[in-house]
Amino acid sequence: DAGVIQSPRHEVTEMGQEVTLRCKPISGHDYLFWYRQTMMRGLELLIYFNNNVPIDDSGMPEDRFSAKMPNASFSTLKIQPSEPRDSAVYFCASSPSGDGNQPQHFGDGTRLSIL
Amino acid sequence: GQNIDQPTEMTATEGAIVQINCTYQTSGFNGLFWYQQHAGEAPTFLSYNVLDGLEEKGRFSSFLSRSKGYSYLLLKELQMKDSASYLCAYGGSQGNLIFGKGTKLSVKP
Repeated sequence: DAGVIQSPRHEVTEMGQEVTLRCKPISGHDYLFWYRQTMMRGLELLIYFNNNVPIDDSGMPEDRFSAKMPNASFSTLKIQPSEPRDSAVYFCASSPSGDGNQPQHFGDGTRLSIL
Repeated sequence: GQNIDQPTEMTATEGAIVQINCTYQTSGFNGLFWYQQHAGEAPTFLSYNVLDGLEEKGRFSSFLSRSKGYSYLLLKELQMKDSASYLCAYGGSQGNLIFGKGTKLSVKP
């Protein structure tokens, strides 16, 4: 079975540029999560969706970050304009339900470097 | 509030047993998860506890005490491949997970 698929795996770009990260959740999973991971702050939840609807975006650091889920099989996380402090690994995860007792399945992540 | 704590690093010897502790404080709790994350890879699910007690799964066991806000992950017969970060997380009331910063375990020969 295909797991959570993220693209690109690596992204290196100059500050000020727009960055778009993509995620395809596991088919049939109702919940989709975007995380950012750094050495200093660990794994931080940015935003999550239930049935394509954003539920909680309180973790989004600022207005430069936006996320969409136009359908059940695709989500994007966009940073515009990007800054060096946005450099991190960005993970997408999905889970079957929102009961809180279902494990989340993570994609391989996007390693983002902003120069 | 949402607080979850675990040690930053631990070192153990191949073949030994190691226990990684996790404490949490939350007003909404929906189970305790443990994930394993090898360097440069994604977190992968290890275990889930929702009731008090010990859950055993091969060489790995996980314990939960809800009244104490405490969990631990027990790894037996350590192998070199067990060197990784171990993340504990509790389930929130809306389907989300709140993660600790992870414990980096180094297994030495």
